[in-house]
Amino acid sequence: EAGVAQSPRYKIIEKRQSVAFWCNPISGHATLYWYQQILGQGPKLLIQFQNNGVVDDSQLPKDRFSAERLKGVDSTLKIQPAKLEDSAVYLCASSSLTDTQYFGPGTRLTVL
Amino acid sequence: GENVEQHPSTLSVQEGDSAVIKCTYSDSASNYFPWYKQELGKGPQLIIDIRSNVGEKKDQRIAVTLNKTAKHFSLHITETQPEDSAVYFCAAPTNSGYALNFGKGTSLLVTP
Repeated sequence: EAGVAQSPRYKIIEKRQSVAFWCNPISGHATLYWYQQILGQGPKLLIQFQNNGVVDDSQLPKDRFSAERLKGVDSTLKIQPAKLEDSAVYLCASSSLTDTQYFGPGTRLTVL
Repeated sequence: GENVEQHPSTLSVQEGDSAVIKCTYSDSASNYFPWYKQELGKGPQLIIDIRSNVGEKKDQRIAVTLNKTAKHFSLHITETQPEDSAVYFCAAPTNSGYALNFGKGTSLLVTP
């Protein structure tokens, strides 16, 4: 069974630029999560989707971050405009009807 | 939301010794407690989890114990090997039910 796929793996941008990340969850997983992991810390939830609906986006900085999962499968996370403090690893995870979450390899973002 | 405290932040043991990492949580309604292992440049990988209806779960050299009264759970790794060296995270559910709040991580180093 294929795992969670993410791209790109690395991205370097300058502040005020925009960037987008892509995630393809495990086949059949209805729930998809985006987490932000700042160096030296644990992952922090940004947004949770159930199929194509948002379950929890309370910690998503909505003035600059947006996410969508239009067909209930793939998802994109966008940052516009980026700030220095957005430098982090962006992790995508998915789960089926149980709690168990499986993570992708992450996208490491560096904002200069 | 759920507050997860993890200790210690770093742990160094000799190969063959045991390692113990402890976490506490704040929401008494939490019922699912996973542990993840994260190697450099990779996403978190689930290594073991426990649900609130049991007090202990074991999988080869790894075990997790749960004390619901005290609201803490621990990861035990026996007969440690150099390949166990990684950052370990505990987690507990957020208020939304399925997303996770993570501890700050424990960097485990197993020296030969």
